Amino acid sequence: QKEVEQDPGPLSVPEGAIVSLNCTYSNSAFQYFMWYRQYSRKGPELLMYTYSSGNKEDGRFTAQVDKSSKYISLFIRDSQPSDSATYLCAMSVGGQNFVFGPGTRLSVLP
Amino acid sequence: GAVVSQHPSWVICKSGTSVKIECRSLDFQATTMFWYRQFPKQSLMLMATSNEGSKATYEQGVEKDKFLINHASLTLSTLTVTSAHPEDSSFYICSPGGRETQYFGPGTRLLVL
Repeated sequence: QKEVEQDPGPLSVPEGAIVSLNCTYSNSAFQYFMWYRQYSRKGPELLMYTYSSGNKEDGRFTAQVDKSSKYISLFIRDSQPSDSATYLCAMSVGGQNFVFGPGTRLSVLP
Repeated sequence: GAVVSQHPSWVICKSGTSVKIECRSLDFQATTMFWYRQFPKQSLMLMATSNEGSKATYEQGVEKDKFLINHASLTLSTLTVTSAHPEDSSFYICSPGGRETQYFGPGTRLLVL
């Protein structure tokens, strides 16, 4: 079993849809959870950062962490074509040894 | 967020030549720098971790003599791909360590002909 699993997609949705992106993990010691957005031929850009369990909202983005289920989610409301990118989840123990998911390719169709 | 720069942003070279990639942490003194490689449609693969003032730590399967890493100062780390071959063509991304989360440079695209 991989340490972090993520559906690679591609995921195609119509503009305005709610997008749900998910990752599961096996290491219960992970404390820091991140979501990155990566456009083609660019470096990953940090979107959301959460410590431990709970929800965090920032504009159209909501990150959820369920440590009991070892499951994290990123929700995108009112998705836009500009949201089309690859979304990577990442997690770490105490800010060390970051582990990345393989990324989900998202296409938002106008 | 952190400000990280990489130079060059892309490079094309002939097989057998060496290429140096610079990574600068512009607003954060990084004692550690992570170097990643990313092939098309694949996720980030950690290659090595450079440490200011000491030798880099390489991941399994990464040749340390081929990928030379130097962490000259708290704001500068370099990755040199020696005797590059077409299979080294990839997207190389650096990330300063030492924070609770990671910020990435814009990446350097290398194409070896």
